[in-house]
Amino acid sequence: DSGVTQTPKHLITATGQRVTLRCSPRSGDLSVYWYQQSLDQGLQFLIQYYNGEERAKGNILERFSAQQFPDLHSELNLSSLELGDSALYFCASSAPTSTDTQYFGPGTRLTVL
Amino acid sequence: GESVGLHLPTLSVQEGDNSIINCAYSNSASDYFIWYKQESGKGPQFIIDIRSNMDKRQGQRVTVLLNKTVKHLSLQIAATQPGDSAVYFCAENIGPQGAQKLVFGQGTRLTINP
Repeated sequence: DSGVTQTPKHLITATGQRVTLRCSPRSGDLSVYWYQQSLDQGLQFLIQYYNGEERAKGNILERFSAQQFPDLHSELNLSSLELGDSALYFCASSAPTSTDTQYFGPGTRLTVL
Repeated sequence: GESVGLHLPTLSVQEGDNSIINCAYSNSASDYFIWYKQESGKGPQFIIDIRSNMDKRQGQRVTVLLNKTVKHLSLQIAATQPGDSAVYFCAENIGPQGAQKLVFGQGTRLTINP
């Protein structure tokens, strides 16, 4: 158990809908990262937050957005969902003294029908 | 590198044997590398890391070797056990301090045969 928690574990929804994925980092970690894992693209970095501020952005679609709250939990919002958005979404966190080692949560499996 | 997903390289070894998983990275400026293990239905689990000022680092039953000249990483697992069966990813950490991201390799599926 990495100490990073994610909810929900599974999410099934329809095209065009909007969902919110939630992540709580390890106790004391200030950085939160979001990754998408799909069969054809592998593990891809989406976005990073540090203590509430966006720090780095990957190939995140405009339909996707994220935020980190004062209690340091983070939410990833996915809207206008398409079939191709079906994937595993992972959150990771890292310690404030080092932004290097990232510890991953168990993921949310999103299925868009 | 980018993951190929369904067409992951595979490696099968007998229980008790040693295994070596290889990885090529792309960014010569990368200074930190990590190996992750991912079991079915779970998130990537940190195994071992190495910084670019080192050539070798050892953990419990695992050793990572870094060859910066050819941009190559390897993970050696000694005396493999059934619980070592998983997909193994190398990752390079890129970006300025405080705004970094992991770029993952395609992954290798390791199967330990009893």
